[in-house]
Amino acid sequence: GDSVTQMEGPVTLSEEAFLTINCTYTATGYPSLFWYVQYPGEGLQLLLKATKADDKGSNKGFEATYRKETTSFHLEKGSVQVSDSAVYFCALTVSGNTPLVFGKGTRLSVIA
Amino acid sequence: NAGVTQTPKFQVLKTGQSMTLQCAQDMNHEYMSWYRQDPGMGLRLIHYSVGAGITDQGEVPNGYNVSRSTTEDFPLRLLSAAPSQTSVYFCASSGTGGFYNEQFFGPGTRLTVL
Repeated sequence: GDSVTQMEGPVTLSEEAFLTINCTYTATGYPSLFWYVQYPGEGLQLLLKATKADDKGSNKGFEATYRKETTSFHLEKGSVQVSDSAVYFCALTVSGNTPLVFGKGTRLSVIA
Repeated sequence: NAGVTQTPKFQVLKTGQSMTLQCAQDMNHEYMSWYRQDPGMGLRLIHYSVGAGITDQGEVPNGYNVSRSTTEDFPLRLLSAAPSQTSVYFCASSGTGGFYNEQFFGPGTRLTVL
């Protein structure tokens, strides 16, 4: 079945450090790919998405590129802030009627 | 718009008790889902619905029932609570385009079963 694998956390970075959170997937067909973020005590919210190969999703300084050849969708940010501390989830769907499959999440802590 | 609302925010049950977790959305979304979040397990889909009157099982449906009599509401029923159902429960909805589009999540219900 379809699956998403994320790097294990937690990840602890100093403010202004470069962030990469790895995400790889297995899917039948051509999935749409997503990153969701969960701030402490809240529900998830969409951070960015990409719907086809070589698309780059971006939002709030975060970026991820849909790499079909490596089945990856790694999340990057050039300079993290304390306010970026959260849990990040990679997810996919293969059709509009098929619910998202989520990775297990990666907890990021940014220290001043 | 209130978005997706969930009640209650916190609940403690005894083993064997039943209860209903409420979820409502005011965005006229057709697609709604229930997830549970457990440490180290990420989000796991319990049940979902692609429209009023239509529901389907997700990855972990045992011990839970759902119904979708209106577009706005998607309650989750625990028939006979067990300690293994201790978790944080999230409801989500999405509109046209279904799961291709952004899912809007509620704030969650933290359930403890003793």
